[in-house]
Amino acid sequence: TQLLEQSPQFLSIQEGENLTVYCNSSSVFSSLQWYRQEPGEGPVLLVTVVTGGEVKKLKRLTFQFGDARKDSSLHITAAQPGDTGLYLCAGGAGYALNFGKGTSLLVTP
Amino acid sequence: SQTIHQWPATLVQPVGSPLSLECTVEGTSNPNLYWYRQAAGRGLQLLFYSVGIGQISSEVPQNLSASRPQDRQFILSSKKLLLSDSGFYLCAWSVATAYEQYFGPGTRLTVT
Repeated sequence: TQLLEQSPQFLSIQEGENLTVYCNSSSVFSSLQWYRQEPGEGPVLLVTVVTGGEVKKLKRLTFQFGDARKDSSLHITAAQPGDTGLYLCAGGAGYALNFGKGTSLLVTP
Repeated sequence: SQTIHQWPATLVQPVGSPLSLECTVEGTSNPNLYWYRQAAGRGLQLLFYSVGIGQISSEVPQNLSASRPQDRQFILSSKKLLLSDSGFYLCAWSVATAYEQYFGPGTRLTVT
């Protein structure tokens, strides 16, 4: 099983702050996805990264795939309360995806 | 556009009772389908996946089973629920294996 470790597990910040969350593995992935999940709802796909070193931006969110395709990071600039949620990374493994345990983010006004 | 439905949204069942959760996908053909369980708002545990009608692969041996009677229908079942079956059950679909997945709204199951 290809494990994905996410850090930190919990993060509580104030509106306007910047933050970075990490997703690390000892395995190489052909692609890696980031999802955001709000309480009581299903995860929503944010982005897919495929190429080592790739950087993708989604408004205030910046996603980076490590050069060796073993790790990824998500950086949020000027966090807003609407960014609150569980951020999950997932990497392809066989027929399915392996998910990390997630980073729970709370942004307070 | 594609949509995925799950029902019921919430369910409270006594220990030993049967279970049937349903998932349907619209707007796509021959999707890969998945059942996950999520405990306490944390990581997702893959339970079953299917690449076609009647083709089910189990990732975790337990008292749950899955079936795919139609191309876009995926059912999760149990003959006798255990307390440990409580959790948030998510259905997902994808076009390609081990790639982007799209999730339903989930079913919150409480076994009492």
